Amino acid sequence: AQSVTQLGSHVSVSEGALVLLRCNYSSSVPPYLFWYVQYPNQGLQLLLKYTSAATLVKGINGFEAEFKKSETSFHLTKPSAHMSDAAEYFCAVSSDNNNDMRFGAGTRLTVKP
Amino acid sequence: DGGITQSPKYLFRKEGQNVTLSCEQNLNHDAMYWYRQDPGQGLRLIYYSQIVNDFQKGDIAEGYSVSREKKESFPLTVTSAQKNPTAFYLCASSLKTEANYGYTFGSGTRLTVV
Repeated sequence: AQSVTQLGSHVSVSEGALVLLRCNYSSSVPPYLFWYVQYPNQGLQLLLKYTSAATLVKGINGFEAEFKKSETSFHLTKPSAHMSDAAEYFCAVSSDNNNDMRFGAGTRLTVKP
Repeated sequence: DGGITQSPKYLFRKEGQNVTLSCEQNLNHDAMYWYRQDPGQGLRLIYYSQIVNDFQKGDIAEGYSVSREKKESFPLTVTSAQKNPTAFYLCASSLKTEANYGYTFGSGTRLTVV
């Protein structure tokens, strides 16, 4: 069975500081990995995805994530946080052996002025 | 513009009552999904459908039912058998059933039992 674990249910950073949201996955087959963002009372929006091409994936809004097989990680980063980045972020995993996507519990990002 | 429309945005259910949540997409996507979101628990899969007139149970299907009579529509009924239905419900779709396609989500329906 596949799963993802997001370390830290809440992360708080100052505006302009580095954003690092952690995600570790578990999968017995090559995974596809995704990061989504959710603003209050909204659906999820795809930020970026890893599908076995380049290990460093760039997404929207200046976010990027690096797939590290040896560490089974797919952490999300952004060099400089903006107030508009405050939201909940979800890591997700799927694979060719599964027909559905598995989501982590989410990390709520707060950006302080 | 193409997208997924969920309605209503807010829904109130009385004890013992069945309610149906609507999900319509005009993206020509093959696969559709229903998730339930509770605080601190992420998203849990209720049902999914990869083709018209076919659907499969997810992890928490008990107390829910779905239909897929048209490619564009995937309504979810929350029955009286669902003992704790208060949650945020999200519908999603995917262009193909292959796992490397991301999902497009609707804006959700917040269901509250009164």
